[in-house]
Amino acid sequence: GNSVTQMEGPVTLSEEAFLTINCTYTATGYPSLFWYVQYPGEGLQLLLKATKADDKGSNKGFEATYRKETTSFHLEKGSVQVSDSAVYFCALTLANAGGTSYGKLTFGQGTILTVHP
Amino acid sequence: GAGVSQSPRYKVAKRGQDVALRCDPISGHVSLFWYQQALGQGPEFLTYFQNEAQLDKSGLPSDRFFAERPEGSVSTLKIQRTQQEDSAVYLCASSSGQPGGVGYTFGSGTRLTVV
Repeated sequence: GNSVTQMEGPVTLSEEAFLTINCTYTATGYPSLFWYVQYPGEGLQLLLKATKADDKGSNKGFEATYRKETTSFHLEKGSVQVSDSAVYFCALTLANAGGTSYGKLTFGQGTILTVHP
Repeated sequence: GAGVSQSPRYKVAKRGQDVALRCDPISGHVSLFWYQQALGQGPEFLTYFQNEAQLDKSGLPSDRFFAERPEGSVSTLKIQRTQQEDSAVYLCASSSGQPGGVGYTFGSGTRLTVV
C-alpha cells in the first residue's frame, strides 16, 4: 500500500536558520506529492506540490524536489521565521489510477516546527 | 461561504453516546472528504463523496461510523456508541474535483473527546 514517512520531530530552530524536514514515500503507481502546513487553531493548508519526477514545488520560501530515484520529497527553507512555527505534513495521492483517482491523500505523521527569535 | 465550515468545533461525548459532526463545504464543490486525525498523527482517510454519492468508505474504522451527503452539499459524519479510541480531530475537505489532489480546502476540524 501507499505510505509516507517523515522525520521525527519536534524540530526547534533559531530564526534565520536553515530548515530541512525529510520525507520519503512508498507508492504503487505515480504519485503526486504535497506538503501541507497546519498553523495553531487553523485548518490544513497546501504549502507546495509536485506532480512528477524532478519537479520542484515552491512557495513562501519553502522548496521541495520530487526525487523518484530516492522516493523522497524533502522540505527546505533557507531562513526560517518565527511565523513558520507550525506542524508540517508530507502527503501523496495517486495521480492517475485507471481513472479512479479522486485525490485521496495519504499523510505522514507530521513534524512540529518551533522557531525561536 | 468562503471556506469549509465544520461544527461543532469541540465535542465531548460520554462513552456510548451517539454524535453527529457537520461539514459545510465550499459552495459548488463536487468532492468531499472526511479524515480522522489522532493526537500526534497525520490525518487518515475515512470516506469520499462525489456530489451525493459515497464512492469510497474504505477508511471507516467500524460499522459504528456512518457518513451521508444527501443533497450533495452539507455532509454529516455520525458515530454511534462512541468509544474512547474515537477521540480525535475529524477533518472535512472539499474540492472542485480537479485531478491529482490539488485544490483541496480543509476545514478547521471538530475535536471529539470521548470520556
